[in-house]
Amino acid sequence: QEHLVQSGAEVKKPGSSVKVSCKASADTFNTYAINWVRQVPGQGLQWMGETIPKFGTENYSQKFQGRVTITADKSTTTAYLELRGLKSDDTAVYFCARGTAFDTGGHSYFHGFDVWGQGTAVTVS
Amino acid sequence: EIVLTQSPGTLSLSPGERATLSCRASQSLTSNFLAWYQQKPGRAPRLLIFGVSSRATGIPVRFSGSGSGTDFTLTISRLEPEDFAVYFCQQYDSTPLTFGGGTKVDI
Repeated sequence: QEHLVQSGAEVKKPGSSVKVSCKASADTFNTYAINWVRQVPGQGLQWMGETIPKFGTENYSQKFQGRVTITADKSTTTAYLELRGLKSDDTAVYFCARGTAFDTGGHSYFHGFDVWGQGTAVTVS
Repeated sequence: EIVLTQSPGTLSLSPGERATLSCRASQSLTSNFLAWYQQKPGRAPRLLIFGVSSRATGIPVRFSGSGSGTDFTLTISRLEPEDFAVYFCQQYDSTPLTFGGGTKVDI
């Protein structure tokens, strides 16, 4: 069964940065987009952006553009989310999730976020 | 940005009853790009439905999705004890991908 394994909880000061990792299998890394979604305690889900390791591209939610960088390291099949200029309302659980798949013919298909990491709690205080 | 509004906020039911959850989009989804997720406390969301009505791998048949345009529904035909959770809809018709605010199904 496929898994995404995230790094551990972080406590950060306002104004600092945090970098969260998400380790995937080679098959997932070479076929799928890896998305980042956050959840403020007791609230809903917010999509932050995605990386497509196969093509070396990223897409971001405009809400976070300029403050967030999503990267992918093919050598370790690990995706990263870096969030800068942390504020108290960035306190949340950050999830990575597998999304759009890309086949060898260049076609893409999206069957939901079918595999999720366990979540990384980031506290800004 | 497409805003998804879920109703009701909380649905209080008993095991064996039918649950009907609503998700309304602020604009019509041009394709059937709507998914549903279940989330339990302290856990990551779990994909239930994609493409409005296709069940994800391993999801029981008591979960079904329907709808088109701006109005979508998740139905749980007979609630099992493990179904009491929060349910979110998600659109992937356009970026940014967005989620509804959630419906809590409790006893």
